[in-house]
Amino acid sequence: NAGVMQNPRHLVRRRGQEARLRCSPMKGHSHVYWYRQLPEEGLKFMVYLQKENIIDESGMPKERFSAEFPKEGPSILRIQQVVRGDSAAYFCASSHRDLRYEQYFGPGTRLTVT
Amino acid sequence: GIQVEQSPPDLILQEGANSTLRCNFSDSVNNLQWFHQNPWGQLINLFYIPSGTKQNGRLSATTVATERYSLLYISSSQTTDSGVYFCAGQGGSEKLVFGKGTKLTVNP
Repeated sequence: NAGVMQNPRHLVRRRGQEARLRCSPMKGHSHVYWYRQLPEEGLKFMVYLQKENIIDESGMPKERFSAEFPKEGPSILRIQQVVRGDSAAYFCASSHRDLRYEQYFGPGTRLTVT
Repeated sequence: GIQVEQSPPDLILQEGANSTLRCNFSDSVNNLQWFHQNPWGQLINLFYIPSGTKQNGRLSATTVATERYSLLYISSSQTTDSGVYFCAGQGGSEKLVFGKGTKLTVNP
């Protein structure tokens, strides 16, 4: 009974490199959400996706950040040309299409930019 | 706008004590939920509680939607209860809006 899977759990990147974070939703879930948690803060919404569709990206920074959820495979959050301020924990959540208020979270990916 | 406010920001207890955490939310917030982030960073769903009262072991939660607040009760606290407790709600869209959390430390 696998929950939401995220990998890698820890990622270290140098400034200017690209970071790719992956999220596999719970079985039977078709909706994926990405949240970011900066140190000592609560979680902030970034983007909401269904298969092959971005539904709400109102929380995504305008530049360098992109997300996708292809027909096959995990959802990917991509950060290009990372900067120190991108260091954070990135959480993915998933929900069933009929229970979108009930989101289950993965263990997170902790990104450190050196 | 959507607002979710939690109090207190920090709480230190001795093992065995009881505690109450509060979450106030604005008119546009619904589908209130409580989460526990353990010291390893994992987020665990505690309660989905848009209104009423629910109990799960030593934890219970009450939401009074008409007065826009929710309470999380922890009885007979244990060291494993340590971590950060978040409340979150939705405001007309699927995205969850989180409060800043209450950091709970339970000492042995």
